[in-house]
Amino acid sequence: KAGVTQTPRYLIKTRGQQVTLSCSPISGHRSVSWYQQTPGQGLQFLFEYFSETQRNKGNFPGRFSGRQFSNSRSEMNVSTLELGDSALYLCASSLDRVSGANVLTFGAGSRLTVL
Amino acid sequence: KQEVTQIPAALSVPEGENLVLNCSFTDSAIYNLQWFRQDPGKGLTSLLLIQSSQREQTSGRLNASLDKSSGRSTLYIAASQPGDSATYLCAVFLMNYGGSQGNLIFGKGTKLSVKP
Repeated sequence: KAGVTQTPRYLIKTRGQQVTLSCSPISGHRSVSWYQQTPGQGLQFLFEYFSETQRNKGNFPGRFSGRQFSNSRSEMNVSTLELGDSALYLCASSLDRVSGANVLTFGAGSRLTVL
Repeated sequence: KQEVTQIPAALSVPEGENLVLNCSFTDSAIYNLQWFRQDPGKGLTSLLLIQSSQREQTSGRLNASLDKSSGRSTLYIAASQPGDSATYLCAVFLMNYGGSQGNLIFGKGTKLSVKP
């Protein structure tokens, strides 16, 4: 059974550009969550998508957005990149809506460097 | 605001030693607590999940305990091995009052190094 697949694994962008990251959840999983990991702030919740709808959102500016497709694949977009957006972006999937009963399965992450 | 703290930030031990990693959280109204492992350049692997009504969970050489009233959890690793070297993250799961939304709040992790 394939795990959570994130692409690209590594990318370099310059300030002001935008970036799109992709996440393919485990087959059958309908919920996708995104997290940002930086050395200073650690892991922080970005948003959760379920059935193509954003169900929950963390405390990030509007430059961070996402969407989920009918096949449960998800993308997140960051516009007008800033140096501080350099981070490891992790995607996690779960069978159903994220709840305390569901274990999240994480992907390997997409490492974004903003120059 | 829920805060999760892990102490120490880094730990180095010789192979074979038993060790304890600590996690504390400020708000006891958690749904559950999870311990994850993260290897360099990789994602997170879930190790143990403790529901708020439970006191501990065990998996192989790992044992995690939860004391909600004091806001503490420990991860005990028995007979450590070099392959245990990784960053260990603690996370609490919070639900909103309506139970319609929830997300994980992570600590910053403890980087463990087990020397052969």
